Amino acid sequence: NAGVTQTPKFRVLKTGQSMTLLCAQDMNHEYMYWYRQDPGMGLRLIHYSVGEGTTAKGEVPDGYNVSRLKKQNFLLGLESAAPSQTSVYFCASSSIRALVFSYEQYFGPGTRLTVT
Amino acid sequence: SQQGEEDPQALSIQEGENATMNCSYKTSINNLQWYRQNSGRGLVHLILIRSNEREKHSGRLRVTLDTSKKSSSLLITASRAADTASYFCATDAEGGSEKLVFGKGMKLTVNP
Repeated sequence: NAGVTQTPKFRVLKTGQSMTLLCAQDMNHEYMYWYRQDPGMGLRLIHYSVGEGTTAKGEVPDGYNVSRLKKQNFLLGLESAAPSQTSVYFCASSSIRALVFSYEQYFGPGTRLTVT
Repeated sequence: SQQGEEDPQALSIQEGENATMNCSYKTSINNLQWYRQNSGRGLVHLILIRSNEREKHSGRLRVTLDTSKKSSSLLITASRAADTASYFCATDAEGGSEKLVFGKGMKLTVNP
């Protein structure tokens, strides 16, 4: 049981290049999330998904796209990378805990992206 | 926008001492969660407290919640060097509990 995995761990892009970050979870969770973490800013939600084939915008969605074609995978795409997208990206997944109506999230190890 | 704000932003203590971190939030919540993040790693869920609970314990962790003051505190007793990490509180986002809103985090350093 690997939990939440992210690929790649590190990446350096030039401005204008594109890339896709892959998140995979093996816990059969319905919900998946992409966050970015910047110094002094905490975690900010980029996009999330409440089920296969569905996506929704979070707090900072501009410049990113996502897809959830399979329940276990959630892809984050940068079509034209900008230096402002230099950050550490975290994927998370959750499943509702019905008794407490909460969504305890399980995080991947992160992807450190640098855009030059 | 941040819902939770941790206080203090950084805390340095000696091993064996207790560490208290506070979190304030702005809107009504269903529950509040605390997470830990070791350097270079993802966040790990520590404990959850429901809005109708006032106190909860898990091992050396004690969490309190005061919904009238919109605040929570996380107490780590008998701290260890391994507790050195950043700690985040997270609350339900307005309009939907499937989303969490995280505070900016608090850096705890436990010196051996």
